[in-house]
Amino acid sequence: QKEVEQNSGPLSVPEGAIASLNCTYSDRGSQSFFWYRQYSGKSPELIMFIYSNGDKEDGRFIAQLNKASQYVSLLIRDSQPSDSATYLCAVTGGGSNYKLTFGKGTLLTVNP
Amino acid sequence: DTEVTQTPKHLVMGMTNKKSLKCEQHMGHRAMYWYKQKAKKPPELMFVYSYEKLSINESVPSRFSPECPNSSLLNLHLHALQPEDSALYLCASSRTFVGDEKLFFGSGTQLSVL
Repeated sequence: QKEVEQNSGPLSVPEGAIASLNCTYSDRGSQSFFWYRQYSGKSPELIMFIYSNGDKEDGRFIAQLNKASQYVSLLIRDSQPSDSATYLCAVTGGGSNYKLTFGKGTLLTVNP
Repeated sequence: DTEVTQTPKHLVMGMTNKKSLKCEQHMGHRAMYWYKQKAKKPPELMFVYSYEKLSINESVPSRFSPECPNSSLLNLHLHALQPEDSALYLCASSRTFVGDEKLFFGSGTQLSVL
């Protein structure tokens, strides 16, 4: 059973701080890594994806991938109350296993 | 157009009813998905269609019957559901089903089975 692990939180940060969300995965052959944001009662929305080791930046979001450590993270700079949501890490399997496995999600609360 | 449209948004049905959930996308995507999500849980994959053919069935009970009439449409037919089937049902699409594709989710159907 391929697993994706996230700290369920809740993670609470003050407005303007950096929020750091972490995810580990068990399938060493995994190729593609995604972060989805889900507001309460809404559907998941893709906010970042990363395929190669290193950092990828998009606005206030930074995704970091370390395949050797099987670790992917999401940093949110200058956190805003509107960033309060559940963040789902999702990973595709190795080889021809294209199925996306979601972690259980981390609930982030940004306090004004 | 980057939307995946799902109808209805809410559905209440009895255990003997037959109903259908509908999903539509006009992004030219050739992979479409059904997910089930319970409260405070991650989405669980149910079915994947790739080029209108069923590629994955995650051992879903036969009371759920998917259908992909064409590349833009995806249906989920429901019959004789149980109360434990109450959940948010999400449709999603991606350009293809090759693992590095981004999923676009619809807004979901909140289903209650009485």
